[in-house]
Amino acid sequence: NAGVTQTPKFRILKIGQSMTLQCTQDMNHNYMYWYRQDPGMGLKLIYYSVGAGITDKGEVPNGYNVSRSTTEDFPLRLELAAPSQTSVYFCASSYWDSSPYGTEAFFGQGTRLTVV
Amino acid sequence: AQTVTQSQPEMSVQEAETVTLSCTYDTSESNYYLFWYKQPPSRQMILVIRQEAYKQQNATENRFSVNFQKAAKSFSLKISDSQLGDTAMYFCAFLVVSGAGSYQLTFGKGTKLSVIP
Repeated sequence: NAGVTQTPKFRILKIGQSMTLQCTQDMNHNYMYWYRQDPGMGLKLIYYSVGAGITDKGEVPNGYNVSRSTTEDFPLRLELAAPSQTSVYFCASSYWDSSPYGTEAFFGQGTRLTVV
Repeated sequence: AQTVTQSQPEMSVQEAETVTLSCTYDTSESNYYLFWYKQPPSRQMILVIRQEAYKQQNATENRFSVNFQKAAKSFSLKISDSQLGDTAMYFCAFLVVSGAGSYQLTFGKGTKLSVIP
């Protein structure tokens, strides 16, 4: 019963490097989200997807890209990493339907990223 | 755009006492859900309680209950008989399921709750 799996758990990047944060869910959820959480702050939406092949920007999309080629996977790409992207990143998924577990977002354990 | 406001950055409560965390939201849509999530030091996001906007009855889950005032766009969380394990960040969240901004799950900035022995 894996739920939402994020990799890696920790990563240190140098300024200007690129990387992909992986997110996989095994619950056949159609909705998936990427958030960043800065120290002592709430979660800010970066990108979200309502199904395979469909993505949309959230509140803070600059410096990031996403794709959704399958229902299960929703990778987040950081191009040209900057110190401002130092944060904890969370992936989440949900059905958003009327089923008993359809109105709850399930979260991964987070990825702590430091850009130096 | 939908917004969620939590006006109490930090709160504390004595063990076994009751505490209420505040949340207000802003939307012009009528079909939406509201949530309270808990984030302990482990960083894991845990759903505490949810409320469907079309339901007038306030949601309750064991020691946790909400006061949902739709006209005032207010959604407060009451924790009764506070326990040390309730120490965590609490986030109010909001999801519109129709109209502009559908399915953008939006979070407030959080309230850090400390339960004092």
